[in-house]
Amino acid sequence: DQQVKQNSPSLSVQEGRISILNCDYTNSMFDYFLWYKKYPAEGPTFLISISSIKDKNEDGRFTVFLNKSAKHLSLHIVPSQPGDSAVYFCAASDMDSNYQLIWGAGTKLIIKP
Amino acid sequence: DAGVIQSPRHEVTEMGQEVTLRCKPISGHDYLFWYRQTMMRGLELLIYFNNNVPIDDSGMPEDRFSAKMPNASFSTLKIQPSEPRDSAVYFCASSLNRGPYGYTFGSGTRLTVV
Repeated sequence: DQQVKQNSPSLSVQEGRISILNCDYTNSMFDYFLWYKKYPAEGPTFLISISSIKDKNEDGRFTVFLNKSAKHLSLHIVPSQPGDSAVYFCAASDMDSNYQLIWGAGTKLIIKP
Repeated sequence: DAGVIQSPRHEVTEMGQEVTLRCKPISGHDYLFWYRQTMMRGLELLIYFNNNVPIDDSGMPEDRFSAKMPNASFSTLKIQPSEPRDSAVYFCASSLNRGPYGYTFGSGTRLTVV
């Protein structure tokens, strides 16, 4: 049973436009969410996170929104740049499971020039 | 800091052979994780250590897989005997503590078993 789902395997966006990556989860006990970015032949790198007590966290061009009632979070990238082309993983954790990260399958973002 | 260092970057081996993957975590990090990434299953946690002690190995797929952490600066993941279905990218990651602060990943080892 997938507790963290990224239903879009890939997404193509024009350079300069907004990229929106989505993530759904089923476990209401999750209290911390993270986004990781992965380039080919490299390990995932931490991008941005959000605690369940917040509904928005912003860091430069990256904003993560959390909708707890819908068990949904999204990552917005504005404006999108060619260097943003990568695979983006959503991950969730909760204190009860000792903060073990549960990962989504990833979404491949392609920024078109 | 050089980050999490994994070796080798690529490994091609024949079915039945023993394979050893190596990882050097970031100095001072208390936790070390071994992950496997495949197209079918995404990122799977295999095992993690805290202060060199294995805490949860429930993700280790079979007895053919074993992991050790003899000291704070070195860990190995061994597959013996290897099988073609073990072909994947294996990542090592480390973190400062168990809180939700995210992990630092190595660049991974791409294993191909033929």
